Amino acid sequence: DGGITQSPKYLFRKEGQNVTLSCEQNLNHDAMYWYRQDPGQGLRLIYYSQIVNDFQKGDIAEGYSVSREKKESFPLTVTSAQKNPTAFYLCASSILGNTEAFFGQGTRLTVV
Amino acid sequence: GENVEQHPSTLSVQEGDSAVIKCTYSDSASNYFPWYKQELGKRPQLIIDIRSNVGEKKDQRIAVTLNKTAKHFSLHITETQPEDSAVYFCAASKSGTSYGKLTFGQGTILTVHP
Repeated sequence: DGGITQSPKYLFRKEGQNVTLSCEQNLNHDAMYWYRQDPGQGLRLIYYSQIVNDFQKGDIAEGYSVSREKKESFPLTVTSAQKNPTAFYLCASSILGNTEAFFGQGTRLTVV
Repeated sequence: GENVEQHPSTLSVQEGDSAVIKCTYSDSASNYFPWYKQELGKRPQLIIDIRSNVGEKKDQRIAVTLNKTAKHFSLHITETQPEDSAVYFCAASKSGTSYGKLTFGQGTILTVHP
């Protein structure tokens, strides 16, 4: 399993803290995405980016922020404004256009 | 925006039986429909996909059918095996300014009993 790497695998956050989830890919993909997975709700899109220095809000962007300073990297910050951050977060990448998205192994975030 | 509904939410079958999972989508402009399999604690992985210019695609025991008029597509797994047990997600996306942005269904937990 190479290509797209997320870290850490598990993350614990205290209420009121911001945390940043890492996502790196070496597939030379232009597009990158962040999804949130909750039981029974499928995968919901948080943010996506199709080019360096540009990104778009997905369906549930409130309380999250991203940056895309390098083609290979698309970190996600979960801010204290996110009311229910405990979830499984998946990063994905793809070439531009309608095609397969490759997923990272995920980060499980728990608020303690 | 696009909305994808997936049914059933859980599906239990005996080994060797067939399994069918159905999805409907709302945006008639959607033209790419992948299916992902996610084993427990693992990342989703693409198992098959179909584009709107074809009505059916098959890969060994897995097939997907698409009905553009009715805006629904289905995953068919034949001769199921215990290793097919996983969560399956359908998704849809379209060309244009938001291309590559997948909208997922809620998922189906498939359990294959030996």
